[in-house]
Amino acid sequence: EDQVTQSPEALRLQEGESSSLNCSYTVSGLRGLFWYRQDPGKGPEFLFTLYSAGEEKEKERLKATLTKKESFLHITAPKPEDSATYLCAVQAGEYGNKLVFGAGTILRVKS
Amino acid sequence: NAGVTQTPKFQVLKTGQSMTLQCAQDMNHNSMYWYRQDPGMGLRLIYYSASEGTTDKGEVPNGYNVSRLNKREFSLRLESAAPSQTSVYFCASSETVNTEAFFGQGTRLTVV
Repeated sequence: EDQVTQSPEALRLQEGESSSLNCSYTVSGLRGLFWYRQDPGKGPEFLFTLYSAGEEKEKERLKATLTKKESFLHITAPKPEDSATYLCAVQAGEYGNKLVFGAGTILRVKS
Repeated sequence: NAGVTQTPKFQVLKTGQSMTLQCAQDMNHNSMYWYRQDPGMGLRLIYYSASEGTTDKGEVPNGYNVSRLNKREFSLRLESAAPSQTSVYFCASSETVNTEAFFGQGTRLTVV
């Protein structure tokens, strides 16, 4: 069964304190891994897509990496506006036509 | 450029009532999806439409029906609402099933 596990469930950081969020997955034939950001009361907002082990993507203070079993979202020198829930999803199914989401990591950055 | 628009934003239903959640996208995307989000469980796929004219079941389809009305619109119907269907519902669309999805703002549904 396709599964996505995110850790930690919640993370509190001081402004400027860098850290990483983890997304581990078991899926038969990974076609793609997606990171989303979700603010309270809003829909998920697309951040990155990763397709193969060793791939990296960056956007401002965020950097996503991918191995054969997990992905990391590295947050460098976070700011309070980075506070959100970060969701990881893998493309699964015989035709890669289903997204399986993890439960998310709630990030709080305090100034 | 509105992206994905869902209506209504909030709804309270009594057990046994029916309703339809509406979704429209203006990005000319081929694929559309309905998810539900419950605390601690992440987003779960209810139904999806890979392209206009097709619909398929996702992970949790029981109690729901969908209609892909045209390329822009994808509706979700609850025929007889149950308290277990209390959730936040998100519609999403993507260019194809293999590309990133873009989400609407969600519909918060409470069934009492």
